[in-house]
This record gives sequence, structure tokens and C-alpha cells, in this order.
Amino acid sequence: QVQLQESGPGLVKPSETLSLTCTVSGGSISSYYWSWIRQPPGKGLEWIGYIYYSGSTNYNPSLKSRVTISVDTSKNQFSLKLSSVTAADTAVYYCARSGYFIPREGYYYYYMDVWGKGTTVTVSS
Amino acid sequence: QSALTQPPSVSGSPGQSVTISCTGTSSDVGSYNRVSWYQQPPGTAPKLMIYEVSNRPSGVPDRFSGSKSGNTASLTISGLQAEDEADYYCSSYTSSSTYVFGTGTKVTVL
Repeated sequence: QVQLQESGPGLVKPSETLSLTCTVSGGSISSYYWSWIRQPPGKGLEWIGYIYYSGSTNYNPSLKSRVTISVDTSKNQFSLKLSSVTAADTAVYYCARSGYFIPREGYYYYYMDVWGKGTTVTVSS
Repeated sequence: QSALTQPPSVSGSPGQSVTISCTGTSSDVGSYNRVSWYQQPPGTAPKLMIYEVSNRPSGVPDRFSGSKSGNTASLTISGLQAEDEADYYCSSYTSSSTYVFGTGTKVTVL
């Protein structure tokens, strides 16, 4: 059974770069899309971006200028970098498996079926 | 991209049915059948309840059902149970190859 685990600093200073890693266990990172999602305290979910195992990415237009998502298939990990953070970036950050391709159907499925437990990141000096 | 619109809250007594709407645009909900629903009890990670508008993953009770008409998707919980009390979010894949979430709905079991 595939499991995801987020890791990284819980406290980041304003203007610095937030860096998180998601480790995939119990299955391969290959052949899937992988997303980062965040949830500010008391608020709703916000999709940050995804990466395909091959390395192609797409980001939320509102965050695109500050976000980089990368993948390391040898370690079965993918990572998030969010630059120039402010207090508004304080949130629980989740990683999730978010899509796959079925060759015999010629169809891509897009939904988040496996989630990490989330990690809290606070932006404060 | 703007968040999909959901009612802030819905409530019902045990055994009743409740329906949560999720309104988007022709660029997201109306574009594809790639609408999914997530359940999030307090302090926990979201859990997939419905994918591709109306499909249930293994292990999700058949009390949960989904549908779509035009730019609006809906999640119905039939035979409401105390354990169904949680926040629910819809999500859609978009014509820009991105995801967008709904604003979230709190379900209260009276």
C-alpha cells in the first residue's frame, strides 16, 4: 500500500525559501503525477502544483512565479520549493498522488487518491 | 483560477440525505468528467470519496454518490451517519491542465 510522508523545516523566516520533500513508500513514483497542496489555518485547500514522474510540471498560476517542484526517481521522492515566503504561506502542506495514465484506455485519470498526513509550516521571524 | 463555489455548511439528522453543490465554469467542472470529492474530518488529511464525477474508490460506502450537470457537480450523502460529520471539498481538473478546489462545506449531523 502506497504511503506518503512529508518532511522539512517547520519554521521558515520571511523572505526565505520553504523546502519540503515527500517520500513515497510501498510503491514506485513512476507512471504517476504527484501534487503539493496546502491549507492555511482554518481555511480551505489550495493546489500548489504537480510533477509527472518524467519531470514535467504545472503550477497554480497564483503561485507560479515562486514555486519549483522537482522529482528524484532514484530516491522515490519529490520536492517543493516556495521562495520569498510571507506569513500568508503559513499552512499545513500535503503531498498527494494525483493522476495516472491507462495505456489500454488511452486515458489520463486526474484525482488525488493517496495523501500524506501533512506537515505544518509556519513563516515567522 | 477561481475556487469552485460550495455552500459553507449543510446539516441533517441521522438517516436523512444531504446534497453539496460545487459550481465552476466551462473551463473546469463543465469541461471534463474529472471532478472528485474529498472528506476531511478535523485535524486529518483529506480522503478521496468520489472520482470521475460518480465513481467510488474501494472502501467508500455506497451512501456517497456523485453527479454532474453542466458546470455544477453534486455530492449526496444518503442515510447520514454521525461519522459523516466533516468538511467536504470538491476538486476539478481544468482546461489549463491544473487543479482547482472548492471552497469547502462543513457537514453537521444534528
